[in-house]
Amino acid sequence: TQLLEQSPQFLSIQEGENLTVYCNSSSVFSSLQWYRQEPGEGPVLLVTVVTGGEVKKLKRLTFQFGDARKDSSLHITAAQPGDTGLYLCAGDSSGYALNFGKGTSLLVTP
Amino acid sequence: NAGVTQTPKFQVLKTGQSMTLQCAQDMNHEYMSWYRQDPGMGLRLIHYSVGAGITDQGEVPNGYNVSRSTTEDFPLRLLSAAPSQTSVYFCASSLTGVGNTIYFGEGSWLTVV
Repeated sequence: TQLLEQSPQFLSIQEGENLTVYCNSSSVFSSLQWYRQEPGEGPVLLVTVVTGGEVKKLKRLTFQFGDARKDSSLHITAAQPGDTGLYLCAGDSSGYALNFGKGTSLLVTP
Repeated sequence: NAGVTQTPKFQVLKTGQSMTLQCAQDMNHEYMSWYRQDPGMGLRLIHYSVGAGITDQGEVPNGYNVSRSTTEDFPLRLLSAAPSQTSVYFCASSLTGVGNTIYFGEGSWLTVV
C-alpha cells in the first residue's frame, strides 16, 4: 500500500481566514484526487490533478500537484462555514484502486 | 438520477451472523468498488470489479466476498461477521476506473456486537 499522509489532521479556523491542507507521499501517482465528505454522506470529488506542477482552481479552492507527482496541496481562500467538512486526498497508481489519506477535518466558525 | 444506491443504511449484527450489503448504480458504469471507513484510518479498498463477471481484491479483502453478475449490482457479503468489521461501508462506481470521476453511495453503517 502506498501511503498518503495528510496534514494537519484537524483544523479549526474563523470565517474569512485562509488555510492550506497538505497531502504527501513517497510514491509517484498517475493522478491525485481531492474529495470533501460531510457527516453521514459519501465523499464527493472536488478535483483530479494529473500533470506534475498542475494548478487547478475551483472558486476559492486552489489545488496543486507537485512537480514529482508525489504530493499535493489544497488552499482555501476566505474560508466560509459551508467549507466545513472532511477533506480527503486519494492517489491513483494502478487505474483500479485509490489510496486514500486519513483526511483533514476542517471546522469554519462564523 | 439515483446514482449509487446502498442498502441498508444501518444494520446491527451479532458475531457470526451473515449479511449482504447491496449496491446498485444506474449510470452504466463498468467499474464498481467497496471501501470501508474507520476512524483514523481513512477509506480502505475491500474489493473492486472492472465489469460483469470480473472481481478482484483490494487492500482489506479478508472476511468479505463479492460477485458481479450484472453491470448494475455489486453486493458485498459478510459470511461470518466479526466485531472488527464494525465500520461504515461505501460503494463507489465510475465509467471505467479510478481515472474517471468516482461516485460514492451514501454509506452503510454496520455494527457487529
